[in-house]
Amino acid sequence: AQKITQTQPGMFVQEKEAVTLDCTYDTSDPSYGLFWYKQPSSGEMIFLIYQGSYDQQNATEGRYSLNFQKARKSANLVISASQLGDSAMYFCAMREGNTGNQFYFGTGTSLTVIP
Amino acid sequence: EPEVTQTPSHQVTQMGQEVILRCVPISNHLYFYWYRQILGQKVEFLVSFYNNEISEKSEIFDDQFSVERPDGSNFTLKIRSTKLEDSAMYFCATQTQTGLNSPLHFGNGTRLTVT
Repeated sequence: AQKITQTQPGMFVQEKEAVTLDCTYDTSDPSYGLFWYKQPSSGEMIFLIYQGSYDQQNATEGRYSLNFQKARKSANLVISASQLGDSAMYFCAMREGNTGNQFYFGTGTSLTVIP
Repeated sequence: EPEVTQTPSHQVTQMGQEVILRCVPISNHLYFYWYRQILGQKVEFLVSFYNNEISEKSEIFDDQFSVERPDGSNFTLKIRSTKLEDSAMYFCATQTQTGLNSPLHFGNGTRLTVT
């Protein structure tokens, strides 16, 4: 089974609107961390936001927030007030507490912000 | 802000040749990783490195691959005899520590093309 599933290969959003990028995960480890990364066309991977499995509140970082639903094993990224510079690939990733240091990445969602 | 530096940005090589990809980690980071991303696919873990030895590796990281930190600064990935399927973007990543909430800091990647 895939550790991280991103079911939206491509998304479009109007500038200044909010958009939600979906991510579901699969783990039996009670301790894990969830991460979102942005990959612009230039190729670099930029860390955006982190959510821990024991965190009581949804993580927020500026215009990024994470809709963490533990029972559903989902960690959707919400980008508010979209900007043209938000157009990029977005990857959800997970690290498990008891199975080493590697991060598991999803297949990504390509977001296009329309002016 | 300190960053992970990778060289070269693009490497073209013929099948069967050896390549060495180089990374200069952020200076106070102790944990180093190589990931790869085949075009249009997800980011895959190759190997993690701590205290001058491999701490974890994936099935992808076979005998053709090796890593070392020869001079205490550069962190290198060597592919001994490249194959066409080694064509990918290779990312170096580092961490200050391995806590669950510690994100990977990625370099800009080296695009390897094997012809």
